[in-house]
Amino acid sequence: DQQVKQNSPSLSVQEGRISILNCDYTNSMFDYFLWYKKYPAEGPTFLISISSIKDKNEDGRFTVFLNKSAKHLSLHIVPSQPGDSAVYFCAATLTGKLIFGQGTTLQVKP
Amino acid sequence: NAGVMQNPRHLVRRRGQEARLRCSPMKGHSHVYWYRQLPEEGLKFMVYLQKENIIDESGMPKERFSAEFPKEGPSILRIQQVVRGDSAAYFCASSPPLAPEQFFGPGTRLTVL
Repeated sequence: DQQVKQNSPSLSVQEGRISILNCDYTNSMFDYFLWYKKYPAEGPTFLISISSIKDKNEDGRFTVFLNKSAKHLSLHIVPSQPGDSAVYFCAATLTGKLIFGQGTTLQVKP
Repeated sequence: NAGVMQNPRHLVRRRGQEARLRCSPMKGHSHVYWYRQLPEEGLKFMVYLQKENIIDESGMPKERFSAEFPKEGPSILRIQQVVRGDSAAYFCASSPPLAPEQFFGPGTRLTVL
């Protein structure tokens, strides 16, 4: 029972353009949603979070949007940079623990 | 202001041996979590600990796996009698009280021969 799903395994965008990463969830009890970035052989790095009572949170180039009626969230990266190339995981919190999606590999081409 | 520390970074064990993975949380963080990433999969929650207490171990396999976070010293994830299927990357994360964001260590890559 995959409660958090990232249906796109990969995404390729041109440098300077917008990257949009998507995530769907099934459990309406999740209280926070988070995005992490992960390079090979490293631990995930926290990027941005959003409370379930909000619909948008912005931090620099990163913006997360939450649509509770659709049980969908997205991460927008503008402008995309080659250094953003990594695997992006969305996660949701439930009683403290994080439940992760499968990840989306983002490639930003120079 | 060191981040989450994990050691060893790489660990090789033969089937039947024990593996001990250590995690020191960030300064000021009293909550520790362990996650496992099997090859070609996402991260899966294993256990959530506070000092001297296991809060949630719903993701831990029922046998051979145990975790502790003593009053002094690092958190330890212990795997007894390892099998090939235990080969994975094990990540520790920590958070301050009442904060949803968890900060991850670099991971320990366990290889069972």
